[in-house]
Amino acid sequence: GESVGLHLPTLSVQEGDNSIINCAYSNSASDYFIWYKQESGKGPQFIIDIRSNMDKRQGQRVTVLLNKTVKHLSLQIAATQPGDSAVYFCAENSNAGNMLTFGGGTRLMVKP
Amino acid sequence: DTEVTQTPKHLVMGMTNKKSLKCEQHMGHRAMYWYKQKAKKPPELMFVYSYEKLSINESVPSRFSPECPNSSLLNLHLHALQPEDSALYLCASSLRGDTIYFGEGSWLTVV
Repeated sequence: GESVGLHLPTLSVQEGDNSIINCAYSNSASDYFIWYKQESGKGPQFIIDIRSNMDKRQGQRVTVLLNKTVKHLSLQIAATQPGDSAVYFCAENSNAGNMLTFGGGTRLMVKP
Repeated sequence: DTEVTQTPKHLVMGMTNKKSLKCEQHMGHRAMYWYKQKAKKPPELMFVYSYEKLSINESVPSRFSPECPNSSLLNLHLHALQPEDSALYLCASSLRGDTIYFGEGSWLTVV
């Protein structure tokens, strides 16, 4: 079936460095993508989204890049901080219905 | 304000108990969701309500029974659960079915 997956289960970065978390998707009908941050013991928190008619979208310290040709999504975090330590999920939503398909998650660990 | 409120935060129940999880949002969102999340796994969709009607049931066992009393409230009734049902249960809502906002979840332990 269709799936959304991640390349790396764990990413360890030095505080102040930039982080890049990657995600591959297989549903070519996907037209909306979301990145969520989930801290330990909490629910997923919306970070940033992007629609399929865009290649790049920027937020505060975060940038999402979408490459539809290779069905690849990435989240870039600038100047990573200890508070960024969490599990990051990408999710895709096709116009077919009110549901998200989640990737497997990447744990980001920030070293002081 | 994108707030979805869930109660209780923690629940321990026996396999013969009947309990309920509650969810509330006042953002005017018309779609509400229940997700189940096991440790180190992504959330898995259980149910979707759209305009207070059940629109998606992802083949969830009948021991989980959702209810949507009105557009702001969503309940999940639990009965005769198994220990493997222990998980984080997440409620979420969405205005148009695209951006979905999650609550903090209810941690359920079945003993």
